[in-house]
Order: sequence, then C-alpha cells, then structure tokens
Amino acid sequence: KAGVTQTPRYLIKTRGQQVTLSCSPISGHRSVSWYQQTPGQGLQFLFEYFSETQRNKGNFPGRFSGRQFSNSRSEMNVSTLELGDSALYLCASSLAPGSTDTQYFGPGTRLTVL
Amino acid sequence: GEDVEQSLFLSVREGDSSVINCTYTDSSSTYLYWYKQEPGAGLQLLTYIFSNMDMKQDQRLTVLLNKKDKHLSLRIADTQTGDSAIYFCAARGASSNTGKLIFGQGTTLQVKP
Repeated sequence: KAGVTQTPRYLIKTRGQQVTLSCSPISGHRSVSWYQQTPGQGLQFLFEYFSETQRNKGNFPGRFSGRQFSNSRSEMNVSTLELGDSALYLCASSLAPGSTDTQYFGPGTRLTVL
Repeated sequence: GEDVEQSLFLSVREGDSSVINCTYTDSSSTYLYWYKQEPGAGLQLLTYIFSNMDMKQDQRLTVLLNKKDKHLSLRIADTQTGDSAIYFCAARGASSNTGKLIFGQGTTLQVKP
C-alpha cells in the first residue's frame, strides 16, 4: 500500500507570494491533517479535514487555508508569504478523525521563503 | 491547553539501551505515540499506547505509561547507530472527533559506535 505522498518536496518562494501544497493520503484514508515544523516552534497543528470539511483548526493566521477534495486529497495554501513561514509542512492521514487508527505522515514539503 | 515535554538530547553507546522520557499535562489523553524523524525526512510512526495500558512491547521497543504521573517512556534495547534520529512523543486529545496531535519538542538520540 502506498504511503502518504506530498508534492512538491521542495519550494522556494519570495515574500508576498502565495503557495499551494498538495497531499495524497493513504488509499482508504479519509482524514487529512497538516502540521508545520520549525526549529523554533517545533511541530504545530494547522488543520484537519474529513469528508471535505474542516474539522479542527490550529492557532494560525487566516493566511493559512486548506481544503479537501472528494477523493480525500488535500491542499493547503499560504498567501502573502512571510519569512517566518519557512518550514517543513507535514501532512498526515488516518481512516477518520478520532478513530483508533493511527496517523501516518508523509515526507513533507520544505518551503523556503526568501 | 495541553502540553507535552521531552528532554532535548540523549547520547548512548551502541549496544546499550536508550530511554527517552516524555511528560504530558492532559490526563484525559487517550492515545500516546512515538514517532522517529531522520534528517530530511518526515515522521515515522514507531509505536503507540492506549491510555488504558501500562506497557507495550514491540521487538526492541518498550513503551511504559504511568498515568498517575502523566509520564511516558520509550526504551530502545540494543541501540544501533541507525537509531540515531529525533524522537517525538505525541498525545492525542480526549475528544473522539479529532485526530489532532500535540507534540513534544523532540529528543535527539546520538548513538556512538
């Protein structure tokens, strides 16, 4: 069974631009969560989607948004990029929110904002 | 809100046992996880334990949970150089409707040959 895939793996953007990251969950998984990892703040929860609906949201500004499609694939978007948005963005999938199934993470997208 | 804390660094000799510790604040956390992250990679699930368990063993890995003290530990037996990585403890909240994980800062394990 293929794991969680994230594209692209690396991105370089400049301040003020916007970026879209993509995540394809494990086949059969319908829940997708996003996390931001930085050296200073560690791993922080961004949001969680299930059945195309946002179920939970972390403490991030409105510049961070996401969506989920009917095939469970998810995208997250960051608008008006700031230097502090440079991070590893990790996507995780599971069968459903709150299920006994565990979350499996993808390799991440490394975003660098110049 | 919930907080999860870990020591930042652990150094051991190859062949020794490693013990990585974690404490959490929310006593209603239902699931507790250990993930491993190698340089430039995502998070690899190592093992997990439900809050109604005290111990779980999986090959070289042993997880101990002390609910009273809200303390979780991961023991790696016969530690190898390939075990060098960052280890994250994570807790899942009490709500059954979310998979949101709260992570510790990560413990860097250095294994010396």
